[in-house]
Amino acid sequence: QQQVKQSPQSLIVQKGGISIINCAYENTAFDYFPWYQQFPGKGPALLIAIRPDVSEKKEGRFTISFNKSAKQFSLHIMDSQPGDSATYFCAAKETSGSRLTFGEGTQLTVNP
Amino acid sequence: SQTIHQWPATLVQPVGSPLSLECTVEGTSNPNLYWYRQAAGRGLQLLFYSVGIGQISSEVPQNLSASRPQDRQFILSSKKLLLSDSGFYLCAWSDLTNQPQHFGDGTRLSIL
Repeated sequence: QQQVKQSPQSLIVQKGGISIINCAYENTAFDYFPWYQQFPGKGPALLIAIRPDVSEKKEGRFTISFNKSAKQFSLHIMDSQPGDSATYFCAAKETSGSRLTFGEGTQLTVNP
Repeated sequence: SQTIHQWPATLVQPVGSPLSLECTVEGTSNPNLYWYRQAAGRGLQLLFYSVGIGQISSEVPQNLSASRPQDRQFILSSKKLLLSDSGFYLCAWSDLTNQPQHFGDGTRLSIL
């Protein structure tokens, strides 16, 4: 049972463009939504996270948009750079417990 | 600051051989610890998690086991490796407030 659905599987963007990755969830007990960035051969690194009491969070070029009623959240990368080329994972955590449910990942390629 | 160490970085083992992967965390006490497997650079599968010494929860029945002999040490083991055990193994930790998980750089395991 996949509780967090992530799309697209892969994404190609030109340098300077906007990268958008979407995730949808079903479990209303989720209350914490982090995004991870993973480079080849490395472990995922926390990029940005949001809680459902806000609709948007911005850190530099990275923004999370959150729609609680639709049970959807997305990552926007503004002014995408070749160095942003990586695999991105969305995740969700329930109010109780520490386990994360991950999306299947999006492989982002930013062409120079 | 907290750091997480995994070793070895890469490992090539014959089918039927034993396995021991080690993960240690520094700079924090009583962390929650996790073992994940990642196939083909996508999709993180939670294998085991631990909330304390000697407390192990298994997520997926398989050929692997985990142990936590010390507060900040988490070990992934197998008595006899199968070809299907190949993959990228990641250790992660989170603190007691269930804030985000932080990952190590993983072990690439190849079974021949």
